[in-house]
Amino acid sequence: AQSVTQPDIHITVSEGASLELRCNYSYGATPYLFWYVQSPGQGLQLLLKYFSGDTLVQGIKGFEAEFKRSQSSFNLRKPSVHWSDAAEYFCAVGAPRFGNDMRFGAGTRLTVKP
Amino acid sequence: EAGVAQSPRYKIIEKRQSVAFWCNPISGHATLYWYQQILGQGPKLLIQFQNNGVVDDSQLPKDRFSAERLKGVDSTLKIQPAKLEDSAVYLCASGQSGEQYFGPGTRLTVT
Repeated sequence: AQSVTQPDIHITVSEGASLELRCNYSYGATPYLFWYVQSPGQGLQLLLKYFSGDTLVQGIKGFEAEFKRSQSSFNLRKPSVHWSDAAEYFCAVGAPRFGNDMRFGAGTRLTVKP
Repeated sequence: EAGVAQSPRYKIIEKRQSVAFWCNPISGHATLYWYQQILGQGPKLLIQFQNNGVVDDSQLPKDRFSAERLKGVDSTLKIQPAKLEDSAVYLCASGQSGEQYFGPGTRLTVT
């Protein structure tokens, strides 16, 4: 079965600074890859996804992620963080078969300093 | 377009009691998922339905958890009897074309 590792439990960045959240996956073929954001007490909101094609994908709220097959990674980036970006971020890997069986990482909590 | 609806939003029960959660997916979505999210962890898939059939329930603790989606639309997840370790947020998601859309979740506290 597929699995996801998010090495960073907690990251703190200053507002306006750049951000990179790491995600490594394990899967025997090309997976579906997702980043979700969860604010306190809220459900999960999809930021972006990769299914195939261009390995650099653009998402909502100014986020982007790059699929690197050789490194089994799908890191999330943002050039300039806003205070409202403080939240929990989850990377997920889906098996591209009927139904998209998905596994989530443990999450990275982002704190934004003023 | 209406999102995934879940109720109740919060529930507090004592251990050994039973509880049920309800989910109404986005209209037209054939696939429905139930996840358990324990505090500080990522969501864990409990069960996946395709229409009214079960696709994957390998991580569902079947001795106490059950789920159904009788008409292929809304779904219920039941826990009977509840244990302290069942305290978590229960998320419902629906999807198509590989994407999943999540509801707000039900926060369960077992005392």
